[in-house]
Amino acid sequence: NAGVMQNPRHLVRRRGQEARLRCSPMKGHSHVYWYRQLPEEGLKFMVYLQKENIIDESGMPKERFSAEFPKEGPSILRIQQVVRGDSAAYFCASSPDNSYEQYFGPGTRLTVT
Amino acid sequence: DQQVKQNSPSLSVQEGRISILNCDYTNSMFDYFLWYKKYPAEGPTFLISISSIKDKNEDGRFTVFLNKSAKHLSLHIVPSQPGDSAVYFCAASEGLMNRDDKIIFGKGTRLHILP
Repeated sequence: NAGVMQNPRHLVRRRGQEARLRCSPMKGHSHVYWYRQLPEEGLKFMVYLQKENIIDESGMPKERFSAEFPKEGPSILRIQQVVRGDSAAYFCASSPDNSYEQYFGPGTRLTVT
Repeated sequence: DQQVKQNSPSLSVQEGRISILNCDYTNSMFDYFLWYKKYPAEGPTFLISISSIKDKNEDGRFTVFLNKSAKHLSLHIVPSQPGDSAVYFCAASEGLMNRDDKIIFGKGTRLHILP
């Protein structure tokens, strides 16, 4: 049973470009969470999604950031017009219906130049 | 406003001795607590959890203690092994009663196991 997969692992974007981060949850998991980790900081919750629904996006900046988890395919975190402050590690986690434990992917390290 | 605090950024422990990692929280509505372990360039790995109806949960070398009145929890690792060197994140949630509630993470404590 493959774990949570994220790609790309490293992403470099120039200021103003768009960044798309993908997350494939573990098989059978229908709950997906996105977190951001800035240097020397803990993980900060961004958004919680179930298939085709955003459950909680209270941690996501109101502008430039969006997330989706379509019926088919991976969850996508999209950052438009990236700025230097968006440089961080972005982690995705998934959990099954019958457990609160979240299983994390390896993360995508975004660098904005 | 940090709801989950890990006040020690790092900790060094001799191999074979006990490692104790501490965590304090401010939100009295938290009812589920988790510890995650993270190696460099990897995602966090779930380690152990405890619900607010318990004060202790043990899994092999790992034991988590919860003191609700003090809003404090700790992770004990005994005996400590070289592979335990990692960053440990304390996390909390109101999720026991509300499945949809998010997990709040502390900033982490970097544990070094000395040979």
